[in-house]
Amino acid sequence: AQSVAQPEDQVNVAEGNPLTVKCTYSVSGNPYLFWYVQYPNRGLQFLLKYITGDNLVKGSYGFEAEFNKSQTSFHLKKPSALVSDSALYFCAVRFNTNAGKSTFGDGTTLTVKP
Amino acid sequence: EAQVTQNPRYLITVTGKKLTVTCSQNMNHEYMSWYRQDPGLGLRQIYYSMNVEVTDKGDVPEGYKVSRKEKRNFPLILESPSPNQTSLYFCASSFRLAAQETQYFGPGTRLLVL
Repeated sequence: AQSVAQPEDQVNVAEGNPLTVKCTYSVSGNPYLFWYVQYPNRGLQFLLKYITGDNLVKGSYGFEAEFNKSQTSFHLKKPSALVSDSALYFCAVRFNTNAGKSTFGDGTTLTVKP
Repeated sequence: EAQVTQNPRYLITVTGKKLTVTCSQNMNHEYMSWYRQDPGLGLRQIYYSMNVEVTDKGDVPEGYKVSRKEKRNFPLILESPSPNQTSLYFCASSFRLAAQETQYFGPGTRLLVL
């Protein structure tokens, strides 16, 4: 069964510092990996996705993520965090073998302090 | 404006009283899905629909029904709500059923079952 793990419930960083939000997935074929962000009292917004090709994916708001097949990871990164990046981040995985099904991680709360 | 809408946004009800949460998208998307979000559990998929009159179960379908009579609408029905269905519900859609497709989320419906 497909699964996603976000090992950190909470990540705290200072504004201007680099940030990393971790995501690993269970291996079963070739995954499609997504990052979504949820701001308070809002729905989820798409940030970026890995489909194929370059392992480094660039997305919205200066975020990027690196797909690492050997480590089955897809960590979200940003070189310089902003206070406005504070939100709940979800990693998700889908597979072609069962395209209708989406599996999300439990979410990681990112707090960026001034 | 391209969007996914949900109604109502907030709902308080009592055990056993049937309710329907509506979801509508104006993007002519084929694929639609329902999720519930609970603290520490992330998003869990309830049901999804690949197109009109085609639906399938997600990870947590018990106690829920759906229908897809029109392409734009995908209502979630709770025939006899119970307190364990108290949750935040999200509807999502994407252009087609394909693992690489990005999902667009509605604003959420917060349900409290007493």
